[in-house]
Amino acid sequence: DVKVTQSSRYLVKRTGEKVFLECVQDMDHENMFWYRQDPGLGLRLIYFSYDVKMKEKGDIPEGYSVSREKKERFSLILESASTNQTSMYLCASTDPYSKQPQHFGDGTRLSIL
Amino acid sequence: GDSVTQMEGPVTLSEEAFLTINCTYTATGYPSLFWYVQYPGEGLQLLLKATKADDKGSNKGFEATYRKETTSFHLEKGSVQVSDSAVYFCALSDHSGSEKLVFGKGTKLTVNP
Repeated sequence: DVKVTQSSRYLVKRTGEKVFLECVQDMDHENMFWYRQDPGLGLRLIYFSYDVKMKEKGDIPEGYSVSREKKERFSLILESASTNQTSMYLCASTDPYSKQPQHFGDGTRLSIL
Repeated sequence: GDSVTQMEGPVTLSEEAFLTINCTYTATGYPSLFWYVQYPGEGLQLLLKATKADDKGSNKGFEATYRKETTSFHLEKGSVQVSDSAVYFCALSDHSGSEKLVFGKGTKLTVNP
């Protein structure tokens, strides 16, 4: 069965810290995505990657960066965390050639104090 | 750009009531349409999908029909259960190669016994 694993379910960090959120998929998918979910705003795309070392900005990339050194792992980096980055973060992956829907992890609820 | 508008909640129903959650979209080309569900404390799961006009997606008693003429993909269920309480997201995929998803803002459904 498809599996997307996010390293933490809950995370608490302080303003100004550099924060890493990790996501691993076991399906050999080409494409991986990071979204943030906020009440009343739905899910918004932060960054996505369509291959190792390849990345593209989504709708709200400011304050974030990403890293994809291996196909199965896609990391979201908050360079200098701020309180307005407190949110639920969801990772997803898909195989673009099979036209299958995206598979999501369980999410990381991040609080920046 | 592409967008999805869905009925805002929250929606509260009694068990065995009929459910409709409206979803309309704006897109260039011919997107695929999805309904995802998020149960409390979990990530998103695909509920159903439709890839072309007049397709009907169905799963777990839920149905939605891809209506190109009205650009709609309304979610329906004839008799809801307490276990259907969740947040429901309508989404489209633009098939641009990245398979990015554009989400609606989500509708929270609560079903009371």
